[in-house]
Amino acid sequence: NAGVTQTPKFRVLKTGQSMTLLCAQDMNHEYMYWYRQDPGMGLRLIHYSVGEGTTAKGEVPDGYNVSRLKKQNFLLGLESAAPSQTSVYFCASSYSLPWDEQFFGPGTRLTVL
Amino acid sequence: LAKTTQPISMDSYEGQEVNITCSHNNIATNDYITWYQQFPSQGPRFIIQGYKTKVTNEVASLFIPADRKSSTLSLPRVSLSDTAVYYCLVGDRYNQGGKLIFGQGTELSVKP
Repeated sequence: NAGVTQTPKFRVLKTGQSMTLLCAQDMNHEYMYWYRQDPGMGLRLIHYSVGEGTTAKGEVPDGYNVSRLKKQNFLLGLESAAPSQTSVYFCASSYSLPWDEQFFGPGTRLTVL
Repeated sequence: LAKTTQPISMDSYEGQEVNITCSHNNIATNDYITWYQQFPSQGPRFIIQGYKTKVTNEVASLFIPADRKSSTLSLPRVSLSDTAVYYCLVGDRYNQGGKLIFGQGTELSVKP
């Protein structure tokens, strides 16, 4: 039982490049989330999904897209990376509601030059 | 969403009990109080959740007074490994579209 895993762990991009972050969970959770965390700040919700095939916007969705084609996977895409997207990205999942216990992945540290 | 206020930082020594208080003056009737812990370079980890009075688990206790305008996370006999950031969150437990709002949290430093 791996819990929530994220790929990759680190990535450096140049401005304008694109990339996809992959999140996978093996707990059969319905809800999945993408957060970003900037230095000295709490986490901010980017997008979330309440089930396979669904996505919704969080607090800071601009510049990101997501897809949930399979229940266990939640992908976060950056179409044209900007330096302001330099951050640590965390994926999380919960069984049925956002206020259920959320299980977080180890994070992806992204730097955009 | 109810806004929360908690101390930016706290210091403690090994073996002491640590109490972190969170203010949430405009908490709504359906709101629950949830605490997460985050170690450096890791994702947050759920600690405890409660609605009123007292909740206890193997890690911590959560005290909520009758007016629910504040809550206190109590960590018994802390060790160096309890050094982390602790987040207090408040929101409607049964709202399917509810979003967790993480503030700056309280950075707890436990010293030998």
